[in-house]
Amino acid sequence: SAVISQKPSRDICQRGTSLTIQCQVDSQVTMMFWYRQQPGQSLTLIATANQGSEATYESGFVIDKFPISRPNLTFSTLTVSNMSPEDSSIYLCSVDPGNMNTEAFFGQGTRLTVV
Amino acid sequence: GNSVTQMEGPVTLSEEAFLTINCTYTATGYPSLFWYVQYPGEGLQLLLKATKADDKGSNKGFEATYRKETTSFHLEKGSVQVSDSAVYFCALSEKGGTGGFKTIFGAGTRLFVKA
Repeated sequence: SAVISQKPSRDICQRGTSLTIQCQVDSQVTMMFWYRQQPGQSLTLIATANQGSEATYESGFVIDKFPISRPNLTFSTLTVSNMSPEDSSIYLCSVDPGNMNTEAFFGQGTRLTVV
Repeated sequence: GNSVTQMEGPVTLSEEAFLTINCTYTATGYPSLFWYVQYPGEGLQLLLKATKADDKGSNKGFEATYRKETTSFHLEKGSVQVSDSAVYFCALSEKGGTGGFKTIFGAGTRLFVKA
């Protein structure tokens, strides 16, 4: 299993600003995922982050809004840019379990409120 | 693409009542199936899983059986406790387009258990 640390754990931001969320894993992983959980909703995959290449975004998410960095095998960042109240959500990072039979591991999440 | 459908909540039960949360999936092939739980104020954690047809996952008194013929993975517990109050997510694992295995979540079902 992997231990995933996310920070900040929560933040309140002004609209129009940007927030960068950090995700640190205690072991080297090839692939990391970023999810969004809007209030009362399920988790939606934003993008897949591979070390050494550009992130792959899911339908409805774009790099300009959610730029992702993956500088090494244990770390990734997600930036929420030009925020609006609709971006208020919990953002979670996760690591690739490595095979289909293994569960995913998640960070504790970053609770973002945009005012 | 693959998808997961689970019953809408919230579900409100009295302590010691029987719980069923329905979950069905659409997938090509035979994915692994999972139930995750999110307790108030906590991160997402695995509750149980099943990796092939007719497998039964179980944990903390919860059970779910992988039914290929009905493409279902219903969650059950014979006697719920107040401490079971949480949001429950049915999920499956699928191979991502860029490699790795990403998790597809159902909408989540909030359970309230009254003393």
